[in-house]
Amino acid sequence: GEDVEQSLFLSVREGDSSVINCTYTDSSSTYLYWYKQEPGAGLQLLTYIFSNMDMKQDQRLTVLLNKKDKHLSLRIADTQTGDSAIYFCADETGFQKLVFGTGTRLLVSP
Amino acid sequence: GAVVSQHPSRVICKSGTSVKIECRSLDFQATTMFWYRQFPKQSLMLMATSNEGSKATYEQGVEKDKFLINHASLTLSTLTVTSAHPEDSSFYICSARSSGGRGEQYFGPGTRLTVT
Repeated sequence: GEDVEQSLFLSVREGDSSVINCTYTDSSSTYLYWYKQEPGAGLQLLTYIFSNMDMKQDQRLTVLLNKKDKHLSLRIADTQTGDSAIYFCADETGFQKLVFGTGTRLLVSP
Repeated sequence: GAVVSQHPSRVICKSGTSVKIECRSLDFQATTMFWYRQFPKQSLMLMATSNEGSKATYEQGVEKDKFLINHASLTLSTLTVTSAHPEDSSFYICSARSSGGRGEQYFGPGTRLTVT
């Protein structure tokens, strides 16, 4: 089956940029997603990128996709303490199922 | 925006009993809903895909007789954990795929099940 991997933990200071990385193995991805999960809560869709694109910007969020290397990243500009959460990347397969990464816990310190 | 609710948000039950979790799409129709399970500090694992008016499709390793899924309408899917055991304790999250638009998935807030 497909693997989606993320680094487990990232710590940044408030105001800095955060970059969360994700690698995947599926060659037939259609869309790739970034979700945010706060403690004890469900998933909030942050942004997504079509597999034929290499960049998408949405306010403080920038998604970069390197399809050749199967590498996806999420950059959060001007990171705030409210951005502290777990971030999941997810790959939509040809069967329209989502395969989730392992999750990256982002800690933003004042 | 699209809202998905789950009920209950938390439930505690005794071993051997059954628990039903509801997933509702509040402001859109969803022909497909998904059920996920999340263990502490781990990722989401897809359990099954629920299609309105037909049988659910279960992922490999998920017991369909233990996790009963019913998708009775375009806005409601239920997951029943039958004869629950402590190892079934987990966070269960549903998502609903909108019938229109690009068909993105919207997630419910999750249900914390504890089996004692």
